[in-house]
Parts: sequence; structure tokens; C-alpha cells
Amino acid sequence: SQTIHQWPATLVQPVGSPLSLECTVEGTSNPNLYWYRQAAGRGLQLLFYSVGIGQISSEVPQNLSASRPQDRQFILSSKKLLLSDSGFYLCAWSVTSINEQFFGPGTRLTVL
Amino acid sequence: GQQLNQSPQSMFIQEGEDVSMNCTSSSIFNTWLWYKQDPGEGPVLLIALYKAGELTSNGRLTAQFGITRKDSFLNISASIPSDVGIYFCAGHAKGSNYKLTFGKGTLLTVNP
Repeated sequence: SQTIHQWPATLVQPVGSPLSLECTVEGTSNPNLYWYRQAAGRGLQLLFYSVGIGQISSEVPQNLSASRPQDRQFILSSKKLLLSDSGFYLCAWSVTSINEQFFGPGTRLTVL
Repeated sequence: GQQLNQSPQSMFIQEGEDVSMNCTSSSIFNTWLWYKQDPGEGPVLLIALYKAGELTSNGRLTAQFGITRKDSFLNISASIPSDVGIYFCAGHAKGSNYKLTFGKGTLLTVNP
């Protein structure tokens, strides 16, 4: 069966510090991968998605970036965090031919 | 882009009552998905719908893909305290690549 992992689970970072969140998927090959941010208002905002190694599509211009160095690894990064980057970050995966997306447990980021 | 209107935004019900929530779209969707999110966790897929008019059940949950392809509803029968959480609808429109459009969620509170 497939599983998706995210770490860390929680993170408190000062403004201006760098960020690296990691997501890995097990039990499937060549998945589509997604990064979402969920603010306190509950909505899910798609940040990036990837259909293959090194292929990243950005949905919202911001100071975040994503990379996919391996087939089942997706990384969300920032060089300098802003207060507005606080939120709940969710990674998801899907099979390329099916629209169902499956979410990881999330990372709670607080920028102070 | 596509927009999803999910209603109600929140519901307060007594244990044992039935619940109904729905989503409407400004565009035609070829897939409707319903997710549940517990506090501090990632959303979990409950039901996936792929055909107009399709009615699918998962235990006490029933969801339908509207005939117009622009709406879907989710019913929960005989609610129990563990049904508490945020329920999201999501849809996939033809031509939107691998991206889903999410509703803003329905917060369900069940009083024992």
C-alpha cells in the first residue's frame, strides 16, 4: 500500500530564516506530487505541483520554491521566511491517470 | 478559473441527526471528491465520483454527482461524535491538468 510522509510535523522559525520541508511517498512510482498551504481560514491553496523529476509548476508567485530531486521526494523551500508564510503545509500525491489526491499528515509552520 | 461554493460553512447538530452539505460549481466537472479533515491532520478521501448522476455510499456517508455536472452533495446519516471535522468537496475540470478545485469546507460539530 502507498504511504506519504512529511517532516517535520511542526516548525517554529524566525522571520528571515530559511525553510526546507520534505515529503516522500512510498509504494508507488512516478506519482504526481502537490504542495498546498492551508491558512486558518480553512481553504486549501495549491502552491506547486510536479508530474516528474525536475518538473515543477508554480501556482502562486511568492517567496517559496519547490524541487523534486527524486521520483518520490518533493521539497518545499524558502530562502527568507515572512510572517505570512505561517500556516499548515500539506503534501499530496496522485496517480497520473486518476484525479484522486491523497494527503500527508501536514507540517505546522509558525513564523515569528 | 473554476470556483466552488460549498455550503453550509458550519453546522451544529445533535448526535443521531442526519447531515447534508453541498457544493456548486461555475464550471462543469468530470470528477467530484469528498474529503474529511480532523484537527491537525491531513484531509482523508471519503468518496470519489466520476459519472453524472452517480450515487455512492461509504458506510453512513452517501454522495452524489449532480446531473448538470456542476454540483455534488454529501449526506451523513445518524451522526456520531467522531464525525466532527471539516468536510471538503473538490472537483476536477477537463483541461485543468492534474489540479483540483477545493471548496472552503463545512465545519461539522456534533453534540453528544
